[in-house]
Amino acid sequence: QVQLVQSGAEVKKPGASVKVSCKASGNIYTSYYIQWVRQAPGQGLEWMGVINPSGGNTAYAQKFQGRVTMTRDTSTSTVYMDLTSLTSEDTAVYYCAKYIAGRVNAMDVWGQGTTVTVSS
Amino acid sequence: EIVLTQSPGTLSLSPGERATLSCRASQSVSSNSLAWYQQKPGQAPRLLIYGASGRATGIPDRFSGSGSGTDFTLTVSRLEPEDFAVYYCQQYGTSLSLAFGGGTKVEIK
Repeated sequence: QVQLVQSGAEVKKPGASVKVSCKASGNIYTSYYIQWVRQAPGQGLEWMGVINPSGGNTAYAQKFQGRVTMTRDTSTSTVYMDLTSLTSEDTAVYYCAKYIAGRVNAMDVWGQGTTVTVSS
Repeated sequence: EIVLTQSPGTLSLSPGERATLSCRASQSVSSNSLAWYQQKPGQAPRLLIYGASGRATGIPDRFSGSGSGTDFTLTVSRLEPEDFAVYYCQQYGTSLSLAFGGGTKVEIK
């Protein structure tokens, strides 16, 4: 069973960037993707993008195109989500989640979430 | 782009009652692309149902999913105290993109 552990909370000023990490442990040799989802305070879930930890290929939501970059470090089984040009609208909890394509097409393991606060 | 609309926004029920939650897609979607999640305050979402009707590992059988085309339903046959939470439907699109419904809050009446 894969477990996902995310980096700690961040406080950033408007215009800054934030990089959130998501480290996988456990049975990491099965085929899966990592999705990134965020949740603003009191709001619903919003899809940001996906990365294949094995091949490194990515796909991003149109809303975040040009502002988000997802990368991976296979040596440490860690994926990263980098978001630039932050505004107060980016204040949210950011989740990484293991996504199984094919028969399941859903996220069965989630990280604990990383709170990002953007404030001057 | 497919839009998922969940209803009702809030469902007020008592423990032991049956909960029926709806998720409607703006166009027909494949049943194997529809999932349901439960989220409690301060916690990450938890996968309940995948492929419209398959229960995820460890999910009690009081949770069931059904539907096809544009209309999908999550049913909780008898609400337990721990079932009061927010529920989201999710659909996958091209290139592994995802869409979420706005959520249904199931609260204690």
